[in-house]
Amino acid sequence: DTAVSQTPKYLVTQMGNDKSIKCEQNLGHDTMYWYKQDSKKFLKIMFSYNNKELIINETVPNRFSPKSPDKAHLNLHINSLELGDSAVYFCASSQSVRRNYQETQYFGPGTRLLVL
Amino acid sequence: RKEVEQDPGPFNVPEGATVAFNCTYSNSASQSFFWYRQDCRKEPKLLMSVYSSGNEDGRFTAQLNRASQYISLLIRDSKLSDSATYLCVVGVTSGTYKYIFGTGTRLKVLA
Repeated sequence: DTAVSQTPKYLVTQMGNDKSIKCEQNLGHDTMYWYKQDSKKFLKIMFSYNNKELIINETVPNRFSPKSPDKAHLNLHINSLELGDSAVYFCASSQSVRRNYQETQYFGPGTRLLVL
Repeated sequence: RKEVEQDPGPFNVPEGATVAFNCTYSNSASQSFFWYRQDCRKEPKLLMSVYSSGNEDGRFTAQLNRASQYISLLIRDSKLSDSATYLCVVGVTSGTYKYIFGTGTRLKVLA
């Protein structure tokens, strides 16, 4: 069973389109994250939710909107896609960032987004 | 200055060699420390947490120096399968808690 899954794995789209990436974890974790890994392989936090509550919202364009319908799911919607949005987007989860700082994060396989 | 800095490498070493990676962090309020491994076109996976007293897991040894804000990873008897990018990760509290990733150090173990 896949612990953290993301769909789609690959996404090729035109500039200006709107797209969504979905993430699900079956680990029973409370905390979920979205990271962006750019072409230089730098992995940067975008958002974090704890039990459906937004707890981290880094300096990300408001074209990016996360949604957590329940604590097992965290989706990312991107409006008006731009060339610079091309990257690998990783979803991750951990047990609960509020209870234990020394926590393992479990990552999904990533969604490779290419904006043309 | 980046919050978590690593030498990007690549480090090219022969099989059986010992190799060490360093990582420095800038936030003195950092509370947790990790090494993750990322294979090409794959997701990061936890290699080991780093504890204040230092810790070892088989061929891997991690050290933390809070005074110098420095973390290290030592790999002994390198295997071909150790070839990957090693990410230093620091947990910080700044209002809320978040993990900051270094840019990674690339290791190639050569036959």
